Amino acid sequence: GAVVSQHPSRVICKSGTSVKIECRSLDFQATTMFWYRQFPKQSLMLMATSNEGSKATYEQGVEKDKFLINHASLTLSTLTVTSAHPEDSSFYICSAPPQGLAGSEQFFGPGTRLTVL
Amino acid sequence: GENVEQHPSTLSVQEGDSAVIKCTYSDSASNYFPWYKQELGKGPQLIIDIRSNVGEKKDQRIAVTLNKTAKHFSLHITETQPEDSAVYFCAESSNNNDMRFGAGTRLTVKP
Repeated sequence: GAVVSQHPSRVICKSGTSVKIECRSLDFQATTMFWYRQFPKQSLMLMATSNEGSKATYEQGVEKDKFLINHASLTLSTLTVTSAHPEDSSFYICSAPPQGLAGSEQFFGPGTRLTVL
Repeated sequence: GENVEQHPSTLSVQEGDSAVIKCTYSDSASNYFPWYKQELGKGPQLIIDIRSNVGEKKDQRIAVTLNKTAKHFSLHITETQPEDSAVYFCAESSNNNDMRFGAGTRLTVKP
């Protein structure tokens, strides 16, 4: 299947700092990528849809000024958690549909474990 | 929140036995139903999926059945092995909607 990578896999930072997470589609172009957050023992919660060449769309309750998304190219989307706080500690996962359709097969990255001290 | 109900939340079986996980959805426009396996500390991996024009799909020890009338679909794992132990998520989506996930089922296969 298609491959999606994430970097870093794990990050620990101090409260108040910003953290950037990269999501790359390695063998296909992705006009759309999705960012999820997963708390321990819970399901995946969609945060936002990253769109190449246009603004991201955010789910209700997700602060767009706190979670900055930039879809810089057809293979790269970045999520920046600004002024991180301990409650932002979570497992962040991106996904991309190779066919570019929202309701189609999605491949997930390996996730990024963020710990804010 | 989730628009897909998934049961059970935990499931423990003996190696070699079968495991069945069920999901129920509400959107009649849903036409794509994937199942993901997530191991600890890793991203979800697609293990099988089914589209609305098919009632059943099988891939070796894994099968998925879909009942569109009743709006439910199930994952069946036969001859379970300890390496099948993981959290399994069902999901559903339609052409224009984002993918919606169930709450997950923690499967433990005892050797």
